[in-house]
Amino acid sequence: DAGITQSPRHKVTETGTPVTLRCHQTENHRYMYWYRQDPGHGLRLIHYSYGVKDTDKGEVSDGYSVSRSKTEDFLLTLESATSSQTSVYFCATLYQRDSTDTQYFGPGTRLTVL
Amino acid sequence: KQEVTQIPAALSVPEGENLVLNCSFTDSAIYNLQWFRQDPGKGLTSLLLIQSSQREQTSGRLNASLDKSSGRSTLYIAASQPGDSATYLCAVRSMNYGGSQGNLIFGKGTKLSVKP
Repeated sequence: DAGITQSPRHKVTETGTPVTLRCHQTENHRYMYWYRQDPGHGLRLIHYSYGVKDTDKGEVSDGYSVSRSKTEDFLLTLESATSSQTSVYFCATLYQRDSTDTQYFGPGTRLTVL
Repeated sequence: KQEVTQIPAALSVPEGENLVLNCSFTDSAIYNLQWFRQDPGKGLTSLLLIQSSQREQTSGRLNASLDKSSGRSTLYIAASQPGDSATYLCAVRSMNYGGSQGNLIFGKGTKLSVKP
């Protein structure tokens, strides 16, 4: 557990509306990640951040944007939600110590787009 | 492209049985491999991490092995218990596919059910 919280935990929205998911960490980890988890696909990386204001795209970034204005917060925005973005979204951080590193995950946000 | 495959997709065993979960990856250039557990409706819990230079890691009743050259890892669970029922995910940090930024590539998981 790396002190990762996600909000909201559940959200139902309509197609075409903007949605922002928040990830908050208390461990001052530099790297943060957003994944989505779908049946038959497993977890796939959407975007990640390697520092404040430093972000990059992952495997499935289309339709998503991110922002990181503080070390502890990483926001994922769906500018105009579509039904294909119905999924469970997980935030993660990277704990680095000596020569090892481990990803720790938040509890997830279940998003339904109607 | 790095691909991670987990076999079987689902497994049901009686309590007390020893079992093995399999994970394979297509590109052997990895920094490390990590095994996670996921309970229904929950996040992921890290179980074991094996560095590319290591052959195995142990934690309690869990033992994970890594054969990097053949692109395989196994998770061995001894004396299984109903509380071990969960989905087990394997993930690699690939040198050639975003791994320098810590990105993980996941398998689809093995859903384990341990019957009392």
